[in-house]
Amino acid sequence: KQEVTQIPAALSVPEGENLVLNCSFTDSAIYNLQWFRQDPGKGLTSLLLIQSSQREQTSGRLNASLDKSSGRSTLYIAASQPGDSATYLCAVSDYKLSFGAGTTVTVRA
Amino acid sequence: NAGVTQTPKFQVLKTGQSMTLQCAQDMNHNSMYWYRQDPGMGLRLIYYSASEGTTDKGEVPNGYNVSRLNKREFSLRLESAAPSQTSVYFCASRGGLTLPQHFGDGTRLSIL
Repeated sequence: KQEVTQIPAALSVPEGENLVLNCSFTDSAIYNLQWFRQDPGKGLTSLLLIQSSQREQTSGRLNASLDKSSGRSTLYIAASQPGDSATYLCAVSDYKLSFGAGTTVTVRA
Repeated sequence: NAGVTQTPKFQVLKTGQSMTLQCAQDMNHNSMYWYRQDPGMGLRLIYYSASEGTTDKGEVPNGYNVSRLNKREFSLRLESAAPSQTSVYFCASRGGLTLPQHFGDGTRLSIL
């Protein structure tokens, strides 16, 4: 059974600092890994998708890396802003998505 | 540009009542999924439908049934609601195993 862990559970940083969010998974037989953002009381917004054959994916200030052999992914958010405050979820895909519990980020102005 | 649409957005039920959560996608996706999200536990898969005409159990199927009505619609039914089923329910779809999942806005369900 795939287990997905996100560390830390919560993170508070001053505006402008870079964010590093970690995700680990136990079974490397995945098709891809997806990072989501979730605002309080809202649905999930897809941020980045990394295929199992890729090492990283970038979108604007966001960069996600994937090391399938070690079962790890990292989401980097450069020059954080208060609008980046949200919960970030990672999910690994085989026939379904297996989710971590998320990292709740607070960016202080 | 609707994507995945869930109805209703909010619902309060009494223990023992039944109800059906509706989900529809307009992206011509083959696969559809139902998840529940509980505090501190992330999202857990209830049921999924890999293609029209098929459904399979996920991690937490007990107390639920599903129907893949057609390619667009995938409904989730609670036959006899229990307080343990109080949760936020998300429907998702995707076009293939290597493609991203797209989520609806969720249904917030409270069972008293």
